Amino acid sequence: SQQGEEDPQALSIQEGENATMNCSYKTSINNLQWYRQNSGRGLVHLILIRSNEREKHSGRLRVTLDTSKKSSSLLITASRAADTASYFCATPRAQKLVFGQGTRLTINP
Amino acid sequence: EADIYQTPRYLVIGTGKKITLECSQTMGHDKMYWYQQDPGMELHLIHYSYGVNSTEKGDLSSESTVSRIRTEHFPLTLESARPSHTSQYLCASSEYVSANYGYTFGSGTRLTVV
Repeated sequence: SQQGEEDPQALSIQEGENATMNCSYKTSINNLQWYRQNSGRGLVHLILIRSNEREKHSGRLRVTLDTSKKSSSLLITASRAADTASYFCATPRAQKLVFGQGTRLTINP
Repeated sequence: EADIYQTPRYLVIGTGKKITLECSQTMGHDKMYWYQQDPGMELHLIHYSYGVNSTEKGDLSSESTVSRIRTEHFPLTLESARPSHTSQYLCASSEYVSANYGYTFGSGTRLTVV
């Protein structure tokens, strides 16, 4: 069963625009992670935010976490064609990561 | 580059055949996982291991089996493949027992059973 749910399921934007994806989860967590998956490949770990953090940056990525609303967002600024991929949030449950359905992001040139 | 390797990348096999999907990592991680993912869908944990001689079933029931005889090797076996087994299989590892750190994934094996 899902722990995290991403929204929207699909997002298509123009190159250079910002992309925002959201993740909602159900139970209390001590961290939330975001991963990227290029078509037909494995997942790549992007960023981890702990429950006592509200915002975290890594290059063009900005992640926020609102534990009161049980939600997180991933912002990709100044998008590039290479950012085209699926993005998944993951949360711990019983010492294992549970992944959502992902947001499929398409960057149009 | 990824330090976790899966072979083969693609496999098309007939119904009833026995197959083994290979997964090896060079990082010395104790914890390893197998996820199953249908195209455009979420990942489902089917097996995991905390270390040598430790294997557990995941959240999604699977007819596959795994073994962990060496730290670096975590193969997945299907004794008799069926079309319902068609999917992508992703192997991952982590350095720590807790899920408070990121996982490293292999590139996956896309299995098609005809």
